[in-house]
Amino acid sequence: DAEITQSPRHKITETGRQVTLACHQTWNHNNMFWYRQDLGHGLRLIHYSYGVHDTNKGEVSDGYSVSRSNTEDLPLTLESAASSQTSVYFCASSDYQGSTDTQYFGPGTRLTVL
Amino acid sequence: QKEVEQNSGPLSVPEGAIASLNCTYSDRGSQSFFWYRQYSGKSPELIMSIYSNGDKEDGRFTAQLNKASQYVSLLIRDSQPSDSATYLCAAYTGRRALTFGSGTRLQVQP
Repeated sequence: DAEITQSPRHKITETGRQVTLACHQTWNHNNMFWYRQDLGHGLRLIHYSYGVHDTNKGEVSDGYSVSRSNTEDLPLTLESAASSQTSVYFCASSDYQGSTDTQYFGPGTRLTVL
Repeated sequence: QKEVEQNSGPLSVPEGAIASLNCTYSDRGSQSFFWYRQYSGKSPELIMSIYSNGDKEDGRFTAQLNKASQYVSLLIRDSQPSDSATYLCAAYTGRRALTFGSGTRLQVQP
């Protein structure tokens, strides 16, 4: 069955370290997204990609970067982790169908920055 | 003003009752709307989508859209304790990315 996976599921790191969160989907979807979820803020879009070599900034992109070298993967990198980046991170993918686009979410990564 | 707004709740209803969840949005260009359910510690899962004014029914769930009032709602009939979760409203504004509300926590009391 097609799926979307994230790794690691839990990560503890220190301020200033570089961290990479992995996202892998086997849906063969063109679109991939990274969100963070914090209490009281719902899901906020960090970066998204419409296809290989395409990346776009979302509403909370500062301090994060992504690259898309193939269809299946969109890793999220925190260049220099900050305590404000402690959050739950969700990856999602969709196969663009215009306004009926439906996103499917991975299981999430809980990141703690000490 | 947030683009998609929801009352954070908790909304508490007795088992068997109708739960009514509401959402407003600010961007009149929003084309379609989605309701996701999220259990504590889990990822969001899609339960309903709606694109046209009016009602859309799927089992115990009914989504309602009023574009003139910029209002979306989700009704859950015969609420069950297993429906207790946070419900996220999302709007698609044509940027191929969704804008989410902060979610409403629903508690169904046995």
